[in-house]
Amino acid sequence: EADIYQTPRYLVIGTGKKITLECSQTMGHDKMYWYQQDPGMELHLIHYSYGVNSTEKGDLSSESTVSRIRTEHFPLTLESARPSHTSQYLCASSEPVQGQYEQYFGPGTRLTVT
Amino acid sequence: GENVEQHPSTLSVQEGDSAVIKCTYSDSASNYFPWYKQELGKRPQLIIDIRSNVGEKKDQRIAVTLNKTAKHFSLHITETQPEDSAVYFCAASKSSGGYQKVTFGTGTKLQVIP
Repeated sequence: EADIYQTPRYLVIGTGKKITLECSQTMGHDKMYWYQQDPGMELHLIHYSYGVNSTEKGDLSSESTVSRIRTEHFPLTLESARPSHTSQYLCASSEPVQGQYEQYFGPGTRLTVT
Repeated sequence: GENVEQHPSTLSVQEGDSAVIKCTYSDSASNYFPWYKQELGKRPQLIIDIRSNVGEKKDQRIAVTLNKTAKHFSLHITETQPEDSAVYFCAASKSSGGYQKVTFGTGTKLQVIP
């Protein structure tokens, strides 16, 4: 089934650890995004990609980095996690439909840094 | 850049009543306005959208209106049901060629009281 997947769904780690949040989509979309969201709160764009080897920073400054080596895969990495990184991270992808882009969201990764 | 304001931040209605959520945007170049519903612990999902060449769109109990001159758009839910309880996000988007910029509102937490 075409969908967008994120792993892990929940992660609790200690300060200073390096982590990678995985995001994969099987819909063949070129455009992918990472949002940071505290539960029920505003969505903040932190990274986006228009295609393979294309990555850009979003509106909210983030210490994380992303890569896009394959169309379907858009992982997010934190080199040294801190308690301030505790949040939910949502991955999304989009494709044009009649010139407009509907975003499809993954289930999210809830990160807690202790 | 685009700025999207959304009101109210919380809304409680009795089951069967109507609910209205309002958004304003600043960039007159925005031409696509989706609405997303996010249930507790779940991913945001598109529920309705409207393009700038349309003033109103309806889908069963949900309708969206757009006033381009005033730069505001609204979500109307009639005959509300408990399962409508969620956080709703409006967004304004502009696309030109392969470029898309989506700006989300701050969200409205809707509670439908049985």
